[in-house]
Amino acid sequence: GAGVSQSPSNKVTEKGKDVELRCDPISGHTALYWYRQSLGQGLEFLIYFQGNSAPDKSGLPSDRFSAERTGGSVSTLTIQRTQQEDSAVYLCASSLGDTSGNTIYFGEGSWLTVV
Amino acid sequence: AQSVTQLDSQVPVFEEAPVELRCNYSSSVSVYLFWYVQYPNQGLQLLLKYLSGSTLVESINGFEAEFNKSQTSFHLRKPSVHISDTAEYFCAVSEGSYQKVTFGTGTKLQVIP
Repeated sequence: GAGVSQSPSNKVTEKGKDVELRCDPISGHTALYWYRQSLGQGLEFLIYFQGNSAPDKSGLPSDRFSAERTGGSVSTLTIQRTQQEDSAVYLCASSLGDTSGNTIYFGEGSWLTVV
Repeated sequence: AQSVTQLDSQVPVFEEAPVELRCNYSSSVSVYLFWYVQYPNQGLQLLLKYLSGSTLVESINGFEAEFNKSQTSFHLRKPSVHISDTAEYFCAVSEGSYQKVTFGTGTKLQVIP
């Protein structure tokens, strides 16, 4: 499809397990973002990739969280040793990245539940 | 560092009444401002944005927002709401040449028939 694609759409995992969430941005978009949406917390910035530049990881909540972007396209967000407070919707978004003010296009999100 | 404050977490309003959703930002440089909307069981999508020029920007469904630099605000308004406007609205900001976009905590607009 033409939009941002995320998988899985839903994931239930046991506390302490590792999870990987995948994001396929819109073709040609050089900027890619990960956000976390929790009840009452709004959209929490996690990480931002722009082209070949070093990613902005300033929003990652702990060293259990990491993300990579391969070939300037697909991105994977990894959460190690999941905790119950990690339960949230993880949103990926992309934009053209050529200028500031670009519209961000969001995926449908990956709903993570840690039990 | 840029930040966004949405003062109201929930706003109930009767159908056909006017509404204002408040947004204030903090930034030391020039900014770009956005409103995104999330309808029930749908993904986030852009409603409108301010980049430069006229401080009043409009959406296709009757919403408007005004950039007020002196008050560092970008409030969203609609003169007459419809049931279909029920959604969560997020204000967002990016600074200068850096494209990282920071979002507010969102305001849930509930339109009452």
